[in-house]
Amino acid sequence: DSGVTQTPKHLITATGQRVTLRCSPRSGDLSVYWYQQSLDQGLQFLIQYYNGEERAKGNILERFSAQQFPDLHSELNLSSLELGDSALYFCASSPPPWSTDTQYFGPGTRLTVL
Amino acid sequence: QQQVKQSPQSLIVQKGGISIINCAYENTAFDYFPWYQQFPGKGPALLIAIRPDVSEKKEGRFTISFNKSAKQFSLHIMDSQPGDSATYFCAASVSGGYQKVTFGTGTKLQVIP
Repeated sequence: DSGVTQTPKHLITATGQRVTLRCSPRSGDLSVYWYQQSLDQGLQFLIQYYNGEERAKGNILERFSAQQFPDLHSELNLSSLELGDSALYFCASSPPPWSTDTQYFGPGTRLTVL
Repeated sequence: QQQVKQSPQSLIVQKGGISIINCAYENTAFDYFPWYQQFPGKGPALLIAIRPDVSEKKEGRFTISFNKSAKQFSLHIMDSQPGDSATYFCAASVSGGYQKVTFGTGTKLQVIP
């Protein structure tokens, strides 16, 4: 158990809908990262937050948005969902900068868009 | 320049054999090279990592070999076991700061009895 929690574990929805994925980082970790993993694909970096501020952006679609709240949990919002958005979405957290470079991954949320 | 190229995409190894996965990078600013292991239905977990000041790091049956001049690094799994069957991702980042990790595309390893 990495200490990173993600909810829900599974999500089934229809095209055009909007969903919110939630992530709670490990205690003490200030950075949160979101990744998308499609079937048999690698990890695509979406976005990173540090202590509430956006720090890096990857291949995140305009239909997707995220935020990190004062209690450090993060939410990834996916809107106008398409079939191709079906994937595993992972959240990872890491300790404060200059301490360690390890990222700790949550168990993921499996999103199925029908 | 941010890419990390990983090969092979899949690998089948006999139990007791050596599994070798290779990665190459372009960005010379990368100075932290972790390998993550992912079992089906689980999130990736750090397996072993290396920094470019050493050419090899060994932890149990897992060894990273690093070639700074060639900008390549590889994971060797000695005495491969069926329990090692998983997907392995190499990665690279610039250590410290607000590090953003670039992942390879993954290698699906199957160790057959």
